[in-house]
Amino acid sequence: DGGITQSPKYLFRKEGQNVTLSCEQNLNHDAMYWYRQDPGQGLRLIYYSQIVNDFQKGDIAEGYSVSREKKESFPLTVTSAQKNPTAFYLCASSMGGQQPYGYTFGSGTRLTVV
Amino acid sequence: AQSVTQPDIHITVSEGASLELRCNYSYGATPYLFWYVQSPGQGLQLLLKYFSGDTLVQGIKGFEAEFKRSQSSFNLRKPSVHWSDAAEYFCAVGSRGSYIPTFGRGTSLIVHP
Repeated sequence: DGGITQSPKYLFRKEGQNVTLSCEQNLNHDAMYWYRQDPGQGLRLIYYSQIVNDFQKGDIAEGYSVSREKKESFPLTVTSAQKNPTAFYLCASSMGGQQPYGYTFGSGTRLTVV
Repeated sequence: AQSVTQPDIHITVSEGASLELRCNYSYGATPYLFWYVQSPGQGLQLLLKYFSGDTLVQGIKGFEAEFKRSQSSFNLRKPSVHWSDAAEYFCAVGSRGSYIPTFGRGTSLIVHP
């Protein structure tokens, strides 16, 4: 079955360390997205990409970086510049284009600073 | 700019009772509207969506939603709630030319036996 795979499910980061969250999809979707979820704050957009080798900042991009070298993959790096990285991170994909098709979400990665 | 409000942070219902979760949006033209459900520790799953046409939309898991332009609302309903429906529910609004939807802050549904 097609879907989105996020790994790892749980991730622990030490102070000053960069960590990378994986997101892979086999839905042949053009667009991919990263969201951060904190209790009571809903979903906040970090980065998104409509096509390979192109991506745009979302509302809270500071301290994060992404790449889109393959259509199937959209990894997110949480850098040491992100001062409060503890959160639940969700990756999503959609058919893209100029109409907001519904998203397919991965099962998330919970990142904790230790 | 588009925005969406879910007025209720928590809703508690008894198993077997009916359910209505509220969603109000702000957007000038015809919006694209979505409802998603999230079980604890999981990603979101699309329940239903409205783009155009019939204003009463049927979704998965027995849910439906009604688009009411005059009230700028897209409330989610279910006639009889099951304990497995306990989850977080998110409303989202998008628009033609803006394919990034805006999500509400969510409503937590608690189901009592």
